[in-house]
Amino acid sequence: QVQLVQSGAEVKKPGASVKVSCKASGYTFTSYYMHWVRQAPGQGLEWMGIINPSGGSTSYAQKFQGRVTMTRDTSTSTVYMELSSLRSEDTAVYYCAREMRGIAAAGTGALSFDYWGQGTLVTVSS
Amino acid sequence: QSVLTQPPSVSGAPGQRVTISCTGSSSNIGAGYDVHWYQQLPGTAPKLLIYGNSNRPSGVPDRFSGSKSGTSASLAITGLQAEDEADYYCQSYDSSLSGSGVVFGGGTKLTVL
Repeated sequence: QVQLVQSGAEVKKPGASVKVSCKASGYTFTSYYMHWVRQAPGQGLEWMGIINPSGGSTSYAQKFQGRVTMTRDTSTSTVYMELSSLRSEDTAVYYCAREMRGIAAAGTGALSFDYWGQGTLVTVSS
Repeated sequence: QSVLTQPPSVSGAPGQRVTISCTGSSSNIGAGYDVHWYQQLPGTAPKLLIYGNSNRPSGVPDRFSGSKSGTSASLAITGLQAEDEADYYCQSYDSSLSGSGVVFGGGTKLTVL
């Protein structure tokens, strides 16, 4: 069964960086795009970006350009999201989410997310 | 302000039918991009409810249905049950001069009376 297991909660000071991991299992890691979505306390969902686990190419939401870096390690089927220059507004639960349609597949489901990690709470506080 | 607009809340009695709207524009839903819907129970990750405007993943009851027309989409829930009480989000893709990417609605809290 498909599983996305994320790293544990983090507490960071303003200006620091955080790196969240998402370990995938139960499917071919390099065959599906992975996205990162965050949710501030009591707020809605916000898309951060996408990584192609096969070649490592990325695309980030304009809001996070220059502050976010998404990488992957194919040997461990793990994707990472690093966010730098943290501020209090970055306090949120960060989710990894697998795109439903496979990278080389056709048909519907593109840019929908069928499996999500359990979420990682990142708290930014002085 | 979210790119996709949803009502903050809706409510209904058990057994009733409710709909949740998702209004976009010519750079997202109106441009032909698919709409997807998620259900989020308190303290849990979102769950895919509808993909590709009107398709249900395996395991999602047929009480849930989606539709899309023009620059808007809707999620309908029939035979409302207590366990349907949750937050619901629509999602699409937006392509504009200021940038492109996945966009979500602000979310709708469904209360089962």
